[in-house]
Amino acid sequence: QSVLTQPPSVSAAPGQKVTISCSGSSSNIGNNYVSWYQQLPGTAPKLLIYDNNKRPSGIPDRFSGSKSGTSATLGITGLQTGDEADYYCGTWDTNLSAWVFGGGTKLTVL
Amino acid sequence: QVQLVESGGGMVQPGRSLRLSCAASGFAFSTYGMHWVRQAPGKGLEWVAVIWFDGNNKYYADSVKGRFTISRDNSKNTLYLQMNSLRAEDTAVYYCARDKSSGGSRGMDVWGQGTTVTVSS
Repeated sequence: QSVLTQPPSVSAAPGQKVTISCSGSSSNIGNNYVSWYQQLPGTAPKLLIYDNNKRPSGIPDRFSGSKSGTSATLGITGLQTGDEADYYCGTWDTNLSAWVFGGGTKLTVL
Repeated sequence: QVQLVESGGGMVQPGRSLRLSCAASGFAFSTYGMHWVRQAPGKGLEWVAVIWFDGNNKYYADSVKGRFTISRDNSKNTLYLQMNSLRAEDTAVYYCARDKSSGGSRGMDVWGQGTTVTVSS
């Protein structure tokens, strides 16, 4: 079991919006920055969101992040077939002195 | 351009050792924390270890503690992962990744392409 909990899968139609949740605790999400990663099939992960809600240059504003308490959310609007990928949340866990990832969420664009 | 290139993967028997390298270019390597992250076939991402910019702080996942050692040579812009007492469950693609900070808690903004380690008799 992962320290951070994500839904195994989500799906939505092209053009629609989807949200992916990431639930943790006060030792990780509650007191540290959350980042989100996209992993397209057969490729290395890519940073989508850092510091809870910031986008690296080159990441379209269709991707957004938010955090409230011990949970974080990734939002994707205007879904495209190219968004089909696995998405992971991650953060530092102060109690474990370790980085932790969620189990990953597979996004299907129907 | 900013780049990380891993090497050193391969097939190894259980109980043996392997050393992975990650060559960095295009940025001031000595000012960033660096991570190793692995992904077993068909599984999710698993964080392995992190080393701070100056090498003075290192942290490990429980699954590798005591068997793996992360290190860096800032004069060579290279990150290493020494893996001893390898087990079948260490089979994975191993990625090196740059942290956004000099430590290891801000997220990984640059990733290598990965190197595959297979532990099998």
